[in-house]
Amino acid sequence: AQSVTQPDIHITVSEGASLELRCNYSYGATPYLFWYVQSPGQGLQLLLKYFSGDTLVQGIKGFEAEFKRSQSSFNLRKPSVHWSDAAEYFCAVGAGGTYKYIFGTGTRLKVLA
Amino acid sequence: GAGVSQSPRYKVAKRGQDVALRCDPISGHVSLFWYQQALGQGPEFLTYFQNEAQLDKSGLPSDRFFAERPEGSVSTLKIQRTQQEDSAVYLCASSLVAGTGDSPLHFGNGTRLTVT
Repeated sequence: AQSVTQPDIHITVSEGASLELRCNYSYGATPYLFWYVQSPGQGLQLLLKYFSGDTLVQGIKGFEAEFKRSQSSFNLRKPSVHWSDAAEYFCAVGAGGTYKYIFGTGTRLKVLA
Repeated sequence: GAGVSQSPRYKVAKRGQDVALRCDPISGHVSLFWYQQALGQGPEFLTYFQNEAQLDKSGLPSDRFFAERPEGSVSTLKIQRTQQEDSAVYLCASSLVAGTGDSPLHFGNGTRLTVT
């Protein structure tokens, strides 16, 4: 069965510092992988997605993520965090050929001025 | 509208009351999903529609939960005889194509249900 693990519940970084949010998945084949961001009181917004091809994918707002099959990981990164990046981040996996999307429990990012 | 619209944004219900939550997906989107998001958790799948057909309702917690999408556009999630454990944010999402696992979801802002 598919599963998604986000090991870090909370992360705090200083504005301007780099960021890496971890995501590990469990799925038998090559999954479809997504990162979503949720600001307070808002729905989820897609940051980026990986289906195939280049394992480093670029997204909106300066985010990128790298798919590492050997580690079953899809970590989200940003070189320099802005105060507006404070939000909750969800990793999700979609199983090919089905409509099933499984979400992780989220990582809440706090940004210090 | 340009995005997925949900109403109401907030709903307070007394235990035992029935509630109806509405979702207006992006026009032309084939797939519609309902998710339940408990406090501090990720979204949990409730049900999936492909046009007007409800193809999967395996995530509905009990028979008090019912969803419909009669004309393949607007969807309503109904909860009968609400219980405190039903308190959560209910998210609606749509996607352009029939669900294949690779179509990004477009989420509404959710309805926060509080059962007192």
